[in-house]
Amino acid sequence: KQEVTQIPAALSVPEGENLVLNCSFTDSAIYNLQWFRQDPGKGLTSLLLIQSSQREQTSGRLNASLDKSSGRSTLYIAASQPGDSATYLCAVTTSGGSYIPTFGRGTSLIVHP
Amino acid sequence: EAGVAQSPRYKIIEKRQSVAFWCNPISGHATLYWYQQILGQGPKLLIQFQNNGVVDDSQLPKDRFSAERLKGVDSTLKIQPAKLEDSAVYLCASSPRGPQGRFGTNEKLFFGSGTQLSVL
Repeated sequence: KQEVTQIPAALSVPEGENLVLNCSFTDSAIYNLQWFRQDPGKGLTSLLLIQSSQREQTSGRLNASLDKSSGRSTLYIAASQPGDSATYLCAVTTSGGSYIPTFGRGTSLIVHP
Repeated sequence: EAGVAQSPRYKIIEKRQSVAFWCNPISGHATLYWYQQILGQGPKLLIQFQNNGVVDDSQLPKDRFSAERLKGVDSTLKIQPAKLEDSAVYLCASSPRGPQGRFGTNEKLFFGSGTQLSVL
């Protein structure tokens, strides 16, 4: 059974800092990995999706990397802004079976001015 | 493009009552998921549909939860009777992924805003 862990659970940084959020998974036979953003009281918004054959994906100030052999993904946020404050979750879809996305608990990020 | 629609937005009920949630996925999306998110935790899958067939419901408490997806479009999730521990946000998501074993190029999940359920 796939297990997904996200570290740290919470993070508070001043505006302008570069950040790294971590996601680890126990089963390396993955199909894809997605990073999501969740604002309080709202649903999840997909930020980046990395296919199993890819090493990284970039969108604006966001960069996500994938290392299947070590069971890790990182989300890099450059030049953080107060508007980046949210909870960031990663979801791993394992190959075979039902291809169910399994989520971590998320990292709660606060960027203060 | 319209997003995933869910209703109601909030629901407060007493334990042992019944409740139903509705989801309308993005048009053309074959796969639909219901997730339960307890405060402070990540979403946990309850059930996955491919068109109108159930792909995985292994984590659905079938003694009290039921779900259907009529005609492969809208879906409803029902809880009867509700327990205190069912208090959570119920999220619906859809994906354009095709039938199992043949996947589209865009696997992203699109979520609705969720239904926040409080059981008193």
